[in-house]
Amino acid sequence: GDSVTQMEGPVTLSEEAFLTINCTYTATGYPSLFWYVQYPGEGLQLLLKATKADDKGSNKGFEATYRKETTSFHLEKGSVQVSDSAVYFCALAGNQFYFGTGTSLTVIP
Amino acid sequence: DVKVTQSSRYLVKRTGEKVFLECVQDMDHENMFWYRQDPGLGLRLIYFSYDVKMKEKGDIPEGYSVSREKKERFSLILESASTNQTSMYLCASSSQSGQGAEETQYFGPGTRLLVL
Repeated sequence: GDSVTQMEGPVTLSEEAFLTINCTYTATGYPSLFWYVQYPGEGLQLLLKATKADDKGSNKGFEATYRKETTSFHLEKGSVQVSDSAVYFCALAGNQFYFGTGTSLTVIP
Repeated sequence: DVKVTQSSRYLVKRTGEKVFLECVQDMDHENMFWYRQDPGLGLRLIYFSYDVKMKEKGDIPEGYSVSREKKERFSLILESASTNQTSMYLCASSSQSGQGAEETQYFGPGTRLLVL
């Protein structure tokens, strides 16, 4: 069945460091792919999405490219800020929504 | 902006109590979902609904039921709360257009439930 596997955390980075959070998926067909972010004490918010192969989703300096050949949708940001500290979830919309287990990111000044 | 609201942010209940968690969305979305979120397990789907009075079991429906009497409201019911139902409960909604761009799920702020 469909599934999403994302990088185990927690991840701790210094401010202005480069961020990569890996996400790979298994799916039949061509699902839409998403990254959601959850700030402390809040629900999930959509960060970015891509609906077909080679699409690049971007928002707030974050980017992810839908790679069909490697079944991946890695999240990247060139320079993280303290305010990016949150839990990040990769997700897939197949016959239902599938979420990864989440990766906790802490950015220290 | 899509708004999904949940009736309580924090709730404390006793074992055996019947618990109602309410969720309301204001975007006329057809689909609504209930998840629970636990450390290390991510989000797990409890129940979902694609239409009024319609419900489907998700991955972990045991011990839960749902009600959708109106399009905008989706209720999660714990028939007899147990300590292993202590968790964060998240409600979400989405459009049913099926065009990819509108499959996005929009989440409420969550209800943190403690069962003693």
